[in-house]
Amino acid sequence: QSVLTQPPSVSAAPGQKVTISCSGSSSNIGNNYVSWYQQLPGTAPKLLIYESKKRPSGIPDRFSGSKSGTSATLGITGLQTGDEADYYCGTWDTSLSANYVFGTGTKVTVL
Amino acid sequence: QVQLVESGGGVVQPGRSLRLSCAASGFTFSSYGMHWVRQAPGKGLEWVALIWYDGSNKYYADSVKGRFIISRDNSKNTLYLQMNSLRAEDTAVYYCAREGGPYGGNSDIHYFDFWGQGTLVTVSS
Repeated sequence: QSVLTQPPSVSAAPGQKVTISCSGSSSNIGNNYVSWYQQLPGTAPKLLIYESKKRPSGIPDRFSGSKSGTSATLGITGLQTGDEADYYCGTWDTSLSANYVFGTGTKVTVL
Repeated sequence: QVQLVESGGGVVQPGRSLRLSCAASGFTFSSYGMHWVRQAPGKGLEWVALIWYDGSNKYYADSVKGRFIISRDNSKNTLYLQMNSLRAEDTAVYYCAREGGPYGGNSDIHYFDFWGQGTLVTVSS
């Protein structure tokens, strides 16, 4: 059972913008950086955002990340059909034992 | 380029053991922390374990603690996951992933900057 909550799905038309929320607590998002991953169907996850708002080389600036308090947000602008995928947030958690936790995952659909 | 290639998956009976391997290339393996992450069929991602760059510290998810052992051989550029007392709920694709944070895993910054293609483990009688 994940400790980070994401909406199950979001959708928008091509060219539009979507945002995905990731809600946690003070033991995880509240005191640690957040990362975001894109998982295209049948493939391994890929890093999109790290340290809450940084993009690895090769990730277009259509993808952005932010964090406030115990929540984080991934934004995707100029939505493309190739963005249809599952998206996961993640961060370190220090509640009972040190471990990494992922969000519940969000399916992005391009209408 | 960074490459991570998992192997060792397969079908195993409940209660038995299995060892996964992850062969790394394209980077200085001994400088990076490494993780195992799994994904049950049709489900989300679940972190399994982390090992520091030098193997001196290891962390486990509560769901596998006491049953799984993460290890590494820096001379062979290989990461391992020894899985004992396997249960049906351990059925998943297992990914190895490189720690993107600083100091080889010895920090509070953790993320996965490169992933392998995954290996499927099915626990069934």
